[in-house]
Amino acid sequence: GESVGLHLPTLSVQEGDNSIINCAYSNSASDYFIWYKQESGKGPQFIIDIRSNMDKRQGQRVTVLLNKTVKHLSLQIAATQPGDSAVYFCADFGGSYIPTFGRGTSLIVHP
Amino acid sequence: KAGVTQTPRYLIKTRGQQVTLSCSPISGHRSVSWYQQTPGQGLQFLFEYFSETQRNKGNFPGRFSGRQFSNSRSEMNVSTLELGDSALYLCASSSPGQGDGYTFGSGTRLTVV
Repeated sequence: GESVGLHLPTLSVQEGDNSIINCAYSNSASDYFIWYKQESGKGPQFIIDIRSNMDKRQGQRVTVLLNKTVKHLSLQIAATQPGDSAVYFCADFGGSYIPTFGRGTSLIVHP
Repeated sequence: KAGVTQTPRYLIKTRGQQVTLSCSPISGHRSVSWYQQTPGQGLQFLFEYFSETQRNKGNFPGRFSGRQFSNSRSEMNVSTLELGDSALYLCASSSPGQGDGYTFGSGTRLTVV
């Protein structure tokens, strides 16, 4: 899988707004999903995961929603802060130990 | 618990040299994967090791190799470095279930001059 190249989709929000980042996957056999945050020059940071037997999971200020019918994953960030500015991408595991990565979305939070 | 540790954080090498990067997985994680990340190509899978055996391999030339030790620590080696090998090299570890807790290290930034 590949992700996080140039020309990523960009989401610009104001500080305090809620952000929603979307990810589509193609493998109907995928049963485990992870969202990552990657800041410039750093390694991807594990944010939250979800298994296919769930459709929603909440963490601290983040919620992941999984819609298996349309093979769609979303990450909701509540009360977005400038420190949330980064590239976010999803990963899905379907019958392989190697994930397929989503393309990534660049989140820009304006103070 | 400690995360995935990669050393060194930064490296500058000359064309033609070789380099060895190290990755210590999260305790209890037995799978270690390596990736190359560049701005133009994104995350490119190199190889994955489990129980000291290479289980999966990406599409990279033979100059890129790796190994895993009995304590699950892994190393990757790049021989005859080329300018195009300049990248952020990341490793990720996970527990025995497929992808469980797939966690990345901070990476090694390799610059070839």
